[in-house]
Amino acid sequence: QVQLQESGPGLVKPSETLSLTCTVSGGSISSYYWSWIRQPPGKGLECIGYISYSGSTNYNPSLKSRATISVDTSKNQFSLKLSSVTAADTAVFFCARITPHDDTWGMYDYWGQGTLVTVSS
Amino acid sequence: EIVMTQSPATLSVSPGERATLSCRASQSVSSNLAWYQQKPGQAPRLLIYGASTRATSIPARFSGSGSGTEFTLTISSLQSEDFAVYYCQQYNNWPSWTFGLGTKVEI
Repeated sequence: QVQLQESGPGLVKPSETLSLTCTVSGGSISSYYWSWIRQPPGKGLECIGYISYSGSTNYNPSLKSRATISVDTSKNQFSLKLSSVTAADTAVFFCARITPHDDTWGMYDYWGQGTLVTVSS
Repeated sequence: EIVMTQSPATLSVSPGERATLSCRASQSVSSNLAWYQQKPGQAPRLLIYGASTRATSIPARFSGSGSGTEFTLTISSLQSEDFAVYYCQQYNNWPSWTFGLGTKVEI
């Protein structure tokens, strides 16, 4: 059974960089795409971006180039950095696996439990 | 960006009743549409992908239909554990696969 676990600081100061890591167990990080999704308190879900098994990345344009996703296959981990954070970035951050369906990538079949990151001084 | 509109925002039903949730895309997403269930304090769980295919271990009372811009999730006979928020998500177009704002199914 594939499991994902987010880790990182729960509190980040405004203008600093938020850093989170997702550790994947029960399966290899190769051969799939991996993504970060966030959910502000009481609100809906927003895809931040994803990284493919080949290392290519795509990001939500709404984040205006503040997001960077990377992968460390030796540790079976992938990471998120979100720079210049403000209070509007306060959210529960989920990591998730993306599985293809009929050669189309995009459905999230495994999720981490989520971690709340608060942006505050 | 493709906007996903879900209706109703809240659906009040009784156990054993049928629930019908709608999701509309601002442009065609073909059948690249998934449904998720989220309970308080938990991660979303994949229910349906490809608009109509149940994910692993999902009970047969959950069914999905539609293509293009109009989609429906039906729960044939609501069980107590089905009261939750349901999200649709399109994964046809990048930049940014997008989610709807959710439908809360409550008693």
